Amino acid sequence: AQSVAQPEDQVNVAEGNPLTVKCTYSVSGNPYLFWYVQYPNRGLQFLLKYITGDNLVKGSYGFEAEFNKSQTSFHLKKPSALVSDSALYFCAVRDSRFFSGGYNKLIFGAGTRLAVHP
Amino acid sequence: ETGVTQTPRHLVMGMTNKKSLKCEQHLGHNAMYWYKQSAKKPLELMFVYSLEERVENNSVPSRFSPECPNSSHLFLHLHTLQPEDSALYLCASSQGEVSGTETYTQYFGPGTRLTVL
Repeated sequence: AQSVAQPEDQVNVAEGNPLTVKCTYSVSGNPYLFWYVQYPNRGLQFLLKYITGDNLVKGSYGFEAEFNKSQTSFHLKKPSALVSDSALYFCAVRDSRFFSGGYNKLIFGAGTRLAVHP
Repeated sequence: ETGVTQTPRHLVMGMTNKKSLKCEQHLGHNAMYWYKQSAKKPLELMFVYSLEERVENNSVPSRFSPECPNSSHLFLHLHTLQPEDSALYLCASSQGEVSGTETYTQYFGPGTRLTVL
C-alpha cells in the first residue's frame, strides 16, 4: 500500500537549535516527495520537493530535506530553528498507482506539529 | 501569497442552508482540487478537475457539488450539510503535463473554515 508516515505528532526544539521533522514513505516506483507547512488558520504552503537529482533538497525559509532511498525517508531539517517556524508540517508523496498527464494525486501524512521555544 | 484565493474565509451555516465556496487561481494552472481538512484526520481529497473536466470524485456525499466554469475558477456548492461536515475546505491548483511543463506541485489557498450548526 502507498502511504506516508510522520511518526511524531509533535516536535519540540529550542530556538537556535537544529530541527528535524521525520517522514517515511511507501510507494512503488520512484517517489516524488513534498513538504508543506501550515500556519494557524491558513492553507498549506509549499516548502520543497524531491523529484530527482541531489538527495539534499533546499527549499523556502532555510529548510532542507534529505532523500534516503534505502531508508525510504525524506526528513525535513533546518540548522537553526526560529520561533516563527512553529507550525504544522505535512509530508506528501505522489500516488504512483495513478498517472495522468493532467494532474496528480498526493498522499499526505497526518502532520507533525513543530513547537520552537524561545 | 500562493496565487490561490478562497472566499469566504469563514462560513457558518445551518443544516438547511445552501451556500457556495469559491476558489480562484492566478497561476495559469490547468488542474484544480478540493480538499477537506478535519481535526485529527488526514487531508481528504474530494474532487479534481483537469482542463475543466471533473476527473476525480472520491465518494463524496451528493450534498457537496463542485463546479468548474473555467480553468481559473472552482466552486463547491453546499446544501443540507451535517454538523460533521464542519471543517477547513482547501482549494489547490497545479500545472498539468498537457501544457508541456508539469511541476507536480500543488499550490493551496488559505481555506474556508466552515461551521455547520
